[in-house]
Amino acid sequence: NAGVMQNPRHLVRRRGQEARLRCSPMKGHSHVYWYRQLPEEGLKFMVYLQKENIIDESGMPKERFSAEFPKEGPSILRIQQVVRGDSAAYFCASSPTYPEAFFGQGTRLTVV
Amino acid sequence: EDQVTQSPEALRLQEGESSSLNCSYTVSGLRGLFWYRQDPGKGPEFLFTLYSAGEEKEKERLKATLTKKESFLHITAPKPEDSATYLCAVRGGGSEKLVFGKGTKLTVNP
Repeated sequence: NAGVMQNPRHLVRRRGQEARLRCSPMKGHSHVYWYRQLPEEGLKFMVYLQKENIIDESGMPKERFSAEFPKEGPSILRIQQVVRGDSAAYFCASSPTYPEAFFGQGTRLTVV
Repeated sequence: EDQVTQSPEALRLQEGESSSLNCSYTVSGLRGLFWYRQDPGKGPEFLFTLYSAGEEKEKERLKATLTKKESFLHITAPKPEDSATYLCAVRGGGSEKLVFGKGTKLTVNP
């Protein structure tokens, strides 16, 4: 059973470009979470999704950030018009229902 | 607001020197306290879930315990391969999100 798969592992974007981060949950898992980790900071919750539904987006910045988890395919975290402050490691986690969440290896976004 | 504080921020041990990591938390309606291990450049690796005060769980050289205000991760006779950052997180009532502490960076010297 493959783990949570994230791609790309590393992503470099120029200021103003769009970043798309993909997450394929573990087989049988229908819950997906996105977290952001800044240098010297802890993991911060961004959004919680189930298939075709956003359940909790209380940690998402109000502008430029969006997330989806379609019926078919991976979950996508989209960042429009990236700025240098968006540089961070973005982690996806999945769980079957409750309670443990299993994390992917992350996407490291660098904005230049 | 749920909060997690981990101490110390960093810990250096000699191989075989046992110690404990602390995780203090405030949460409204605890629905799980979680320990993860994170290696540099990798994602967090799940270790334990604890649900109620008095509960203990063990895995190899690691043992996690829980009280009403804190959790401890005890490391017995550590080896260099135990070097990593250990993360503590809580899930509170009314939310599915995990609230993480900043972690304890453990270094075990041979």
